[in-house]
Amino acid sequence: EPEVTQTPSHQVTQMGQEVILRCVPISNHLYFYWYRQILGQKVEFLVSFYNNEISEKSEIFDDQFSVERPDGSNFTLKIRSTKLEDSAMYFCASTATSGGRDQYFGPGTRLLVL
Amino acid sequence: QKEVEQDPGPLSVPEGAIVSLNCTYSNSAFQYFMWYRQYSRKGPELLMYTYSSGNKEDGRFTAQVDKSSKYISLFIRDSQPSDSATYLCAMSAGHNDMRFGAGTRLTVKP
Repeated sequence: EPEVTQTPSHQVTQMGQEVILRCVPISNHLYFYWYRQILGQKVEFLVSFYNNEISEKSEIFDDQFSVERPDGSNFTLKIRSTKLEDSAMYFCASTATSGGRDQYFGPGTRLLVL
Repeated sequence: QKEVEQDPGPLSVPEGAIVSLNCTYSNSAFQYFMWYRQYSRKGPELLMYTYSSGNKEDGRFTAQVDKSSKYISLFIRDSQPSDSATYLCAMSAGHNDMRFGAGTRLTVKP
């Protein structure tokens, strides 16, 4: 069964450093998403991406964040200058359908900012 | 008022019990309603989604949506220890984002 994959599974970085989180969505999907989940808190929407541009973003997704689909398979989230409060689990999701429904999630990248 | 409210539990039931999980919401624009299951330190796994009001059944799982009350439910029949997980409700207004509840942690005891 096709699945969303994410790398790395864990990332430790120093405050102020740039990190790139990578995702390979399911191959026939067209809509891509990033979410984060701070330990013990709810899953929070960051951004959705379709047709090579951002379609929706939350108030969390500020200028420190960017997304890119550099080739036909990868979807990346870049955090330019990490802060302590960026420590969280980051999930990528994808779907073949518009409207934000039936999204399939990857296993996540656990980011720890020291 | 939070956009999506979900009792975090924890909820503990004996094997074979019927489990009822619920969420309320405030945004009347929500039209897609999803239930996800999340095991510890894993990504959410889609269980079911429902469009607008009504019921949907899939095996031991039944999802109900009452838009007039802004209330959704997930019922699990004949619960099994393997159902032990955190259950997340999620909702979308159809604009390519999704809002999650806090999740209810369920334990099914053998």
